[in-house]
Amino acid sequence: EAGVTQSPTHLIKTRGQQATLRCSPISGHTSVYWYQQALGLGLQFLLWYDEGEERNRGNFPPRFSGRQFPNYSSELNVNALELEDSALYLCASSLAPGQGNYEQYFGPGTRLTVT
Amino acid sequence: GDSVTQMEGPVTLSEEAFLTINCTYTATGYPSLFWYVQYPGEGLQLLLKATKADDKGSNKGFEATYRKETTSFHLEKGSVQVSDSAVYFCALSEIGGADGLTFGKGTHLIIQP
Repeated sequence: EAGVTQSPTHLIKTRGQQATLRCSPISGHTSVYWYQQALGLGLQFLLWYDEGEERNRGNFPPRFSGRQFPNYSSELNVNALELEDSALYLCASSLAPGQGNYEQYFGPGTRLTVT
Repeated sequence: GDSVTQMEGPVTLSEEAFLTINCTYTATGYPSLFWYVQYPGEGLQLLLKATKADDKGSNKGFEATYRKETTSFHLEKGSVQVSDSAVYFCALSEIGGADGLTFGKGTHLIIQP
């Protein structure tokens, strides 16, 4: 069974530009979560999508946004990039709420570097 | 809000030593508890989980028991190997999963031959 995949592996952008990160969940999983792992800040919850809808977001500004497609894959967009957005962005998938024990399976991440 | 506290390390042990990584949590509800492991340059791998009090999660020789009375979920392994060197994260999820996983800061484990 294929795991969670993310693309690209690395992304280098200039301050002020936009970044788009992509995630494909495990087959059968409808929920996709995005996390930011920044140096010194640990892992922080960004966004949760389920059945095509944004269900919740963490304490991040609106320039962090995304969507979930009918095939449950997801896209994270970061607008007006700032230097402090440099981080590893991790995507995770899980079964729909109530169908499992809320364990999440992670992809390998996208390393975003803002210069 | 919810929080998870774990020792950050680095924790350095010799091969075949006994490992304990402490994890305590605060939660508003009755969460599920997890340990994840991150090897250098990789994403997180689910190591083990427990969903209710006194449940013991186990995998690859690692164990952790959900202790509701002490709000703890300590990770243990009887004999560590060099290949266990990684960063270990304790995490919780409230029922419904709306806030995602709440993680501890991670414990960097170094096993020396």
